[in-house]
Amino acid sequence: AQLLESGGGLVQPGGSLRLSCTASGFTFNNYAMAWVRQAPGKGLEWVSSISGNADTTPHSDSVKGRFTISRDNSKNTLFLHMSSLRAEDAAIYYCVKCASTCQHQWFDSWGQGTQVTVSS
Amino acid sequence: DIQLTQSPSFLSASVGDRVTITCRASQGINNFLAWYQLKPGQAPKVLIYVVGTLQTGVPSRFSGSASGTEFTLTISGLQPEDSAVYYCQQLYSYPLTFGGGTKVEIK
Repeated sequence: AQLLESGGGLVQPGGSLRLSCTASGFTFNNYAMAWVRQAPGKGLEWVSSISGNADTTPHSDSVKGRFTISRDNSKNTLFLHMSSLRAEDAAIYYCVKCASTCQHQWFDSWGQGTQVTVSS
Repeated sequence: DIQLTQSPSFLSASVGDRVTITCRASQGINNFLAWYQLKPGQAPKVLIYVVGTLQTGVPSRFSGSASGTEFTLTISGLQPEDSAVYYCQQLYSYPLTFGGGTKVEIK
């Protein structure tokens, strides 16, 4: 599996950004996917997951109501729509493939990550 | 939310040493625990899942075990390429939480 993130960059507080992750090497719609982030000097934080058919989309409390995960199975692409961005959202965002579902499985492939900076 | 307390946060050991990292869960997680390795400039990778199953391609010097809500990652015969940060993660219930990480340094 190969995962390639894009869309990161510098955004002002309160702004919006959309991250994308293009997947290859596996049958995309058969697997749940997730976003994980790592803020500077901090540990890993799960952000959101999405089932293969997009009917289940849990989000962490820290992003609920501001971030939305989605996927386009016809284009093998995962998205993270981020709005009302805060300084504490600055991080490397990793696209992750789950082994099957995410819950009760594991994260078996990770992308290299895309950097999001929130600053005025 | 399930909390994972990982220890130590830093360890320094010599090539060939056996090192152990511990991850304690705040409640039962039915062995849905994985370990990941992060190196600068590289994509993170899974080492072990469901407590003790080694991911394909991961050297056999890595092993995982559990005793109740305490989980252990062991590296038997530390190698220079094992210098990294290691994280445990519970996948039992949302939110899917991670431990705080352990930085492993080679002396």
